[in-house]
Amino acid sequence: DAGVTQSPTHLIKTRGQQVTLRCSPKSGHDTVSWYQQALGQGPQFIFQYYEEEERQRGNFPDRFSGHQFPNYSSELNVNALLLGDSALYLCASSLPITPEKLFFGSGTQLSVL
Amino acid sequence: SQQGEEDPQALSIQEGENATMNCSYKTSINNLQWYRQNSGRGLVHLILIRSNEREKHSGRLRVTLDTSKKSSSLLITASRAADTASYFCATDSNGNKLVFGAGTILRVKS
Repeated sequence: DAGVTQSPTHLIKTRGQQVTLRCSPKSGHDTVSWYQQALGQGPQFIFQYYEEEERQRGNFPDRFSGHQFPNYSSELNVNALLLGDSALYLCASSLPITPEKLFFGSGTQLSVL
Repeated sequence: SQQGEEDPQALSIQEGENATMNCSYKTSINNLQWYRQNSGRGLVHLILIRSNEREKHSGRLRVTLDTSKKSSSLLITASRAADTASYFCATDSNGNKLVFGAGTILRVKS
């Protein structure tokens, strides 16, 4: 059983560009959350998707948007990239019966130059 | 913003010794979780303790929770070189949106 998979593993973009990161949840998981982890910091919650709707959102600007598909996979889009968006982006999924226990993917390392 | 704050920021011990990490938080919680992260990649869930629990064990891990002091501790007994990693506490106050601390970097020397 595959765990949470994220793609791509690494990505380099320049300021002002747009980026799309992808996440496939663990089998049977219907809720997907996205976190941003800056170097030397703990992850910060971006948003959570359930039943293809954004259910909760952290303190991130509208440049950060997402989507969840009927197969529960998810995308994170960031527009007008800033240098400060450079970070590890982590996707996490959870089971309906234990929504508090998150399974994380290995992340996408985004570098903005 | 980060609610949980881990202490110490970094810890270096010899293999076989015990490692204790502490976490403090600010608001009431439903549960508190500990995660491990190797080399800046994905986080691995270690243990979850609910607000009505005081202590929990899992293998070599022991977690305590003191809601009156808004603090938790993670004890790793008989540490191994493979335990070298960053450890994060995360609090869940509102529908599974986890708030993480900045983490403790643990180095176990063999």
